[in-house]
Amino acid sequence: NAGVTQTPKFRVLKTGQSMTLLCAQDMNHEYMYWYRQDPGMGLRLIHYSVGEGTTAKGEVPDGYNVSRLKKQNFLLGLESAAPSQTSVYFCASRGQRHYEQYFGPGTRLTVT
Amino acid sequence: AQKITQTQPGMFVQEKEAVTLDCTYDTSDPSYGLFWYKQPSSGEMIFLIYQGSYDQQNATEGRYSLNFQKARKSANLVISASQLGDSAMYFCAMREAAYSSASKIIFGSGTRLSIRP
Repeated sequence: NAGVTQTPKFRVLKTGQSMTLLCAQDMNHEYMYWYRQDPGMGLRLIHYSVGEGTTAKGEVPDGYNVSRLKKQNFLLGLESAAPSQTSVYFCASRGQRHYEQYFGPGTRLTVT
Repeated sequence: AQKITQTQPGMFVQEKEAVTLDCTYDTSDPSYGLFWYKQPSSGEMIFLIYQGSYDQQNATEGRYSLNFQKARKSANLVISASQLGDSAMYFCAMREAAYSSASKIIFGSGTRLSIRP
């Protein structure tokens, strides 16, 4: 059981470039989440999904898009990266009857 | 709207002492859940403890206990007999509508705990 994995672990982008972060979980969880964590701050929810084919906005959705085409995968896209999107991105998943969220190891993204 | 407040940005504690990390919350939903997570310098998020709003007893997990005072809307984390490995950031979090499929978790700003040998 790998749990929650994130690809890539590190990435440097130039302003205006696009990229996709991949989150995968092998626990058959219904719910998946994308957070960002900025220095000295807690996690802020970007988007989340309550099931395959569904997505919803969180606290800070602007500049990001997501897709959940398969239950085990949750993709986070940046269409035109900006320096303000420099952050550590965490993916998490949760089962329907579970209260605990399981987190991935994080992706450190720098936009120059 | 739901809100989580952690008023202690940083704390220093002597090894083997007990430590209390403060967390207050605000919600109008009678059904909610409260969490504590630990984030060591390596960056991963580690789940510590959970308290449901309808739970009659305070949650405990080993050296961790959650001092849940519903009327005061506080959910403080107590670590007994602190160890050097407890040095980390600690986040309090809450989920409203605890049993709803649409519920999501929000996090406080965190407390950095440093244990002195």
